[in-house]
Amino acid sequence: QKEVEQDPGPLSVPEGAIVSLNCTYSNSAFQYFMWYRQYSRKGPELLMYTYSSGNKEDGRFTAQVDKSSKYISLFIRDSQPSDSATYLCAMSEGSTGNQFYFGTGTSLTVIP
Amino acid sequence: NAGVMQNPRHLVRRRGQEARLRCSPMKGHSHVYWYRQLPEEGLKFMVYLQKENIIDESGMPKERFSAEFPKEGPSILRIQQVVRGDSAAYFCASSPGGTQTQYFGPGTRLLVL
Repeated sequence: QKEVEQDPGPLSVPEGAIVSLNCTYSNSAFQYFMWYRQYSRKGPELLMYTYSSGNKEDGRFTAQVDKSSKYISLFIRDSQPSDSATYLCAMSEGSTGNQFYFGTGTSLTVIP
Repeated sequence: NAGVMQNPRHLVRRRGQEARLRCSPMKGHSHVYWYRQLPEEGLKFMVYLQKENIIDESGMPKERFSAEFPKEGPSILRIQQVVRGDSAAYFCASSPGGTQTQYFGPGTRLLVL
């Protein structure tokens, strides 16, 4: 079983839609949860960073962590064509320098 | 404030040659991480370094791969006697330490012919 599972998609939505991206994980020691956006042939760009359970909002993006279910989500409101990218979840146990475990990424296309 | 820099962006090698990938972390960052990304796969951790020290190399293949982060200069990921299976995108990330945030470079795409 992989440490982190993420549906690769592809996911295609109309402009303005609400997008929901999800990851599940198996390691209950994970405490830090990140979402990265990666455009084609570019490096991953940090979008959201959450510690432990709860919600975090930043503009059109909301990250949710449910540690009891080992499930994290990223919601994108009012999606834009510029949001078209691959979204990667990542998580770590917490001590500085602990390696990150990444999902395989979900490919998202927002259609104008 | 320049971001993480990697060079070359593209590297072509023939089987058996050596590949050297360089990473300059963000200013003020003393922690460097190397990842490999294969098509349809997620980023796979390879090695974590601080200046002059390898902290965690649990993701590094035991043979042909090595990494360093000298006191001066960029971090280097070295692959000796490359094989076709080494073809991938290699990403470097840096962090200032004391934080879980990692900032990624644009990657080096290695193609082994």
